[in-house]
Amino acid sequence: NAGVTQTPKFQVLKTGQSMTLQCAQDMNHNSMYWYRQDPGMGLRLIYYSASEGTTDKGEVPNGYNVSRLNKREFSLRLESAAPSQTSVYFCASRKGTGGRTEAFFGQGTRLTVV
Amino acid sequence: QKEVEQDPGPLSVPEGAIVSLNCTYSNSAFQYFMWYRQYSRKGPELLMYTYSSGNKEDGRFTAQVDKSSKYISLFIRDSQPSDSATYLCASRGTNNAGNMLTFGGGTRLMVKP
Repeated sequence: NAGVTQTPKFQVLKTGQSMTLQCAQDMNHNSMYWYRQDPGMGLRLIYYSASEGTTDKGEVPNGYNVSRLNKREFSLRLESAAPSQTSVYFCASRKGTGGRTEAFFGQGTRLTVV
Repeated sequence: QKEVEQDPGPLSVPEGAIVSLNCTYSNSAFQYFMWYRQYSRKGPELLMYTYSSGNKEDGRFTAQVDKSSKYISLFIRDSQPSDSATYLCASRGTNNAGNMLTFGGGTRLMVKP
């Protein structure tokens, strides 16, 4: 089973360029999340989608936009990349938003903005 | 102050040692507590899950939560080199929209043969 698939795995951008990180899950999960991981900071939530058709801001949404394209796919867009957005980005999905439901993570996208 | 604090390590132990990993949290609304394991250049994977206070054991791993002191622990018995990874504690409440997880910064563990 593929689980949560992220593309690309690596990307280098110049300051001011734009790009979209793609995420797809094949587990029929309702909720999807985008996190960024920086050294010593753990994982910080950027945006989430509790269900198809809804999106909400997390802890660090500035400089990002998201689209829940359908139940499977949740994309993260950087409109004008900045060096502060250099990070490892993880997409995650969960079956629901309540009770004991495990979050599954993708393998990550390593983004460098120069 | 971060809501979930964790010593970044690295923590280096010999194979077979008992490992103790700890976190503290500040949000009294947190009810669910998790430990994730993350190997280098991989995504986090759920290792242990605990609701409210108490202990939970799974093989060589034991998770403890003490809500009175807001303290979360993970114990690894008979540690193996394959346990070398970064361990992330995470917590969440019951009423926040989307049930967002709040993560600690992670502790890097190295188990030497």
